[in-house]
Amino acid sequence: EAGVTQSPTHLIKTRGQQATLRCSPISGHTSVYWYQQALGLGLQFLLWYDEGEERNRGNFPPRFSGRQFPNYSSELNVNALELEDSALYLCASSLGGTGTQSRYFGPGTRLTVT
Amino acid sequence: SQQGEEDPQALSIQEGENATMNCSYKTSINNLQWYRQNSGRGLVHLILIRSNEREKHSGRLRVTLDTSKKSSSLLITASRAADTASYFCATGLNNNDMRFGAGTRLTVKP
Repeated sequence: EAGVTQSPTHLIKTRGQQATLRCSPISGHTSVYWYQQALGLGLQFLLWYDEGEERNRGNFPPRFSGRQFPNYSSELNVNALELEDSALYLCASSLGGTGTQSRYFGPGTRLTVT
Repeated sequence: SQQGEEDPQALSIQEGENATMNCSYKTSINNLQWYRQNSGRGLVHLILIRSNEREKHSGRLRVTLDTSKKSSSLLITASRAADTASYFCATGLNNNDMRFGAGTRLTVKP
């Protein structure tokens, strides 16, 4: 069974540009979560999607947005990139229903903003 | 905001020793989970303990939960160099939310 996949692995952007990160969940999982992990720090919750709907959002500005597609894959968009957006972005999936299910994480996308 | 607080922030031990990490939280939970993260990679789910459970085992891992003290501990017995990683606790909250702590960085020296 394939795990959670994320693309691209690395992404280098310039301040002010937009970044798009993609995630494919484990087959059968309907929930997708996005986290930001700055270097050496813990995980900061960004977004939770389930069955195509945004269920919860972390304390991030509106320039962080996303969506979930009918096949449950998801996209995270970051507009007007700032230097402090440089981080590892982790996607996780789980069975749907509640937000307390065990998470299965992808390998992450390393975003560098210069 | 983070719910769980791991302690210690960093731990260094010799191979073969036991490693104990603690997690404290603030609000009521319905479960608590432990994850491992190897450097720069995604997290791997290790174990889930429900709020009505007190202890759970998985291989060399032993997790305890004390809801009266709002704390949990993760014990890794007979540690190996391959156990070197960051360990995170995550609390499953009653509002369907889940929050991760800041993690404990474990180094196991061969």
